[in-house]
Amino acid sequence: EADIYQTPRYLVIGTGKKITLECSQTMGHDKMYWYQQDPGMELHLIHYSYGVNSTEKGDLSSESTVSRIRTEHFPLTLESARPSHTSQYLCASSEGGTQSYNEQFFGPGTRLTVL
Amino acid sequence: GNSVTQMEGPVTLSEEAFLTINCTYTATGYPSLFWYVQYPGEGLQLLLKATKADDKGSNKGFEATYRKETTSFHLEKGSVQVSDSAVYFCALRLRRTGGFKTIFGAGTRLFVKA
Repeated sequence: EADIYQTPRYLVIGTGKKITLECSQTMGHDKMYWYQQDPGMELHLIHYSYGVNSTEKGDLSSESTVSRIRTEHFPLTLESARPSHTSQYLCASSEGGTQSYNEQFFGPGTRLTVL
Repeated sequence: GNSVTQMEGPVTLSEEAFLTINCTYTATGYPSLFWYVQYPGEGLQLLLKATKADDKGSNKGFEATYRKETTSFHLEKGSVQVSDSAVYFCALRLRRTGGFKTIFGAGTRLFVKA
């Protein structure tokens, strides 16, 4: 059973607020990812990390930022939320190494609504 | 470029019907292929995978075969159940400079009626 957690599961906030979406995994995985998923649309990678103090931007440009101070923790922050940020955010992790077929484990997601 | 194309949903079937969800891909190199499933209110879970041509992945009655000649990885199940109602994502994972990249299809929603 995968042990990757996201909080909150649902968040409704007003425009201009600063928010942090939490993601934690207890599997000791080196690699972690943030995806954005709009309803009925494909997943887009917005951030990834290959280890502590490593963060990179993904394929889809995002105004959010991430940090990786501890292996198990990969929070995503929006300094000033806007309605265009309304979406579902999925966190994932996978083992390190060179094998391309390492499974990605996904958290339950955070559904964000910005009013 | 690299991409994954899935059949559009929603797909609506009666219980015990045969399921096929088509997936084709475009990739440079030799990707690994995956099917993920997302049940209502839950995160994505790996359903099955195949790492090289002609491999067949299988799990929970679902199967998919890595077809390099047709660049396809179609998902099949012989007899669906109501509990199979979910969104199914086809994905490929390939090596790129500095690591790996996973590309997901748009997802196909499946409704199974009792």
